[in-house]
Amino acid sequence: DAGVIQSPRHEVTEMGQEVTLRCKPISGHNSLFWYRQTMMRGLELLIYFNNNVPIDDSGMPEDRFSAKMPNASFSTLKIQPSEPRDSAVYFCASIRDLSNTEAFFGQGTRLTVV
Amino acid sequence: TQLLEQSPQFLSIQEGENLTVYCNSSSVFSSLQWYRQEPGEGPVLLVTVVTGGEVKKLKRLTFQFGDARKDSSLHITAAQPGDTGLYLCAGEETSGSRLTFGEGTQLTVNP
Repeated sequence: DAGVIQSPRHEVTEMGQEVTLRCKPISGHNSLFWYRQTMMRGLELLIYFNNNVPIDDSGMPEDRFSAKMPNASFSTLKIQPSEPRDSAVYFCASIRDLSNTEAFFGQGTRLTVV
Repeated sequence: TQLLEQSPQFLSIQEGENLTVYCNSSSVFSSLQWYRQEPGEGPVLLVTVVTGGEVKKLKRLTFQFGDARKDSSLHITAAQPGDTGLYLCAGEETSGSRLTFGEGTQLTVNP
């Protein structure tokens, strides 16, 4: 298995632009998590899905952030409009099911908003 | 959200030394996981501990879950440069399947 695949690996964008981050979870995993990692705040959970349904989005910082999971093999995290304070590494992780929370992470997307 | 505190935040030691990293909370967790993250990569799971008082060993790494399931420690014996990385503890909240991560311990092992 190729593991969790995220794209792009790096994204540099100007303030105000829309940014879309993509994730393909491990095949057969039913739950998907989006995290943001910064030096100041560490790893923060933004949102997670179970069977493609959003379960908890309380970590989404504000309305500029949205996430979708149209099917079991794809999810997106969108920021519109982006701001410099959104600069961080965004990770996607998947787990087999909610009874086993051992998470498999992608390599992350390093986002820089200038 | 239940909080996890890790200490120390940074640790720089010489090859061959022993070290312990701590992960503490005032809350009870269903289980606790330890991950290691290298630069430019995502965290990789090392171990999961579930039972209070449980001890697991992974070669030179020893993981312990506190009796009350509120804290955990990671002990590395005879550290090697390849152990360098960010060590993260993550607790599974009792109220659901969320993982709460500690802020991490950045370990540097110098040759």
